[in-house]
Amino acid sequence: NAGVTQTPKFRILKIGQSMTLQCTQDMNHNYMYWYRQDPGMGLKLIYYSVGAGITDKGEVPNGYNVSRSTTEDFPLRLELAAPSQTSVYFCASSYSAQAGGNQPQHFGDGTRLSIL
Amino acid sequence: SQKIEQNSEALNIQEGKTATLTCNYTNYSPAYLQWYRQDPGRGPVFLLLIRENEKEKRKERLKVTFDTTLKQSLFHITASQPADSATYLCALGMNSGGYQKVTFGTGTKLQVIP
Repeated sequence: NAGVTQTPKFRILKIGQSMTLQCTQDMNHNYMYWYRQDPGMGLKLIYYSVGAGITDKGEVPNGYNVSRSTTEDFPLRLELAAPSQTSVYFCASSYSAQAGGNQPQHFGDGTRLSIL
Repeated sequence: SQKIEQNSEALNIQEGKTATLTCNYTNYSPAYLQWYRQDPGRGPVFLLLIRENEKEKRKERLKVTFDTTLKQSLFHITASQPADSATYLCALGMNSGGYQKVTFGTGTKLQVIP
């Protein structure tokens, strides 16, 4: 099983450019998440989705947008890249709390993004 | 303010010894706590979950304790091996209207020396 797949693995952007980070999962999970991880700061939740067509903001949503048109895919969009968005971005998925409660999250291997 | 604290400094131990990692939290009321392992350049991988009404959980060489009075979880790796070297993250889970809100600590880097 592929699990959670993120593309690209690495990317360098210029300030003001836009891009979409792709995330797809093949586990039929309802919940999907986007995090950013900065050195010494831990994982910060950007956006999450509890199912197709439903998304909500996390702790640090400014400068990002998401959509969830299918169960499998949850792309993250950066519209106007800024140096503060240099980070490692992780996508994760899980079953819903109603499916059994306290479900662990399955992570992709991240996208390393540098904004110069 | 809310805080999750894990040892920011790396933990170095000798192979074969028991590694003990600490996760302390302030101003949270977690329904459960999870531990993840993260290798360099990889995403976190789930290891263990312990609920608020459980004191201890074991899985092979791993043991987790959860003390809601002390607001602390301890993560133990017995008979540690160099392959256990990684960063270990704790994550607090709060059930919020059907959605499980999970907040991660910053992680502790473990180095097992042969």
